[in-house]
Amino acid sequence: DIVLTQSPATLSVTPGDSVSLSCRASQSISNNLHWYQQKSHESPRLLIKYASQSISGIPSRFSGSGSGTDFTLSINSVETEDFGMYFCQQSNSWPWTFGGGTKLEIK
Amino acid sequence: EVQLQQSGPELVKPGASVKISCKTSGYTFTEYTMHWVKQSHGKSLEWIGGINPNNGGTSYNQKFKGKATLTVDKSSSTAYMELRSLTSEDSAVYYCARGGDYGQAWFAYWGQGTLVTVSA
Repeated sequence: DIVLTQSPATLSVTPGDSVSLSCRASQSISNNLHWYQQKSHESPRLLIKYASQSISGIPSRFSGSGSGTDFTLSINSVETEDFGMYFCQQSNSWPWTFGGGTKLEIK
Repeated sequence: EVQLQQSGPELVKPGASVKISCKTSGYTFTEYTMHWVKQSHGKSLEWIGGINPNNGGTSYNQKFKGKATLTVDKSSSTAYMELRSLTSEDSAVYYCARGGDYGQAWFAYWGQGTLVTVSA
């Protein structure tokens, strides 16, 4: 199975900061990497598909980059509503797998 | 508006089975693969498997073969997941999630989750 390793595990930031979250795959997955946000007691929400493709209704401050094994989710000027968990997921090889998550918290 | 409405929380005894439902609306049920995802301890996510509602074809994560069975009822646009021989390790929130266009495996629509608690 493809292992996705997310870092850091926790990121403490102040609203207005810009941040980058990392997702590294155990083998090349091309651009078959998707990002989700999950707030406490809610279902995950798709933010970015295929590494960098935007999703309708998602604020433009969220962007993605990367290919192969290294991927980044960037949030330009974090807002209070952005705090929560972030997961990456690969759809290159069965079984589809998720990263362990990065918790974005208020400093 | 696409909606996935899951059945309510379940408290089941060890060794028993449980069947969770995911009733859909707002799109053509047979055109999109339905996936199921497990979330333990509010943290990690695991893909359990997916089902093609058009022909009933399934694909499972090897880890969940023998544990989960996916089915659909096209007449009611509802997907089901049955979990059997439950243990404490199966206590988790289970989500249904609709796949993307043309069988693509990203998940733009999710149910609200069903909490399964396995306890004597």
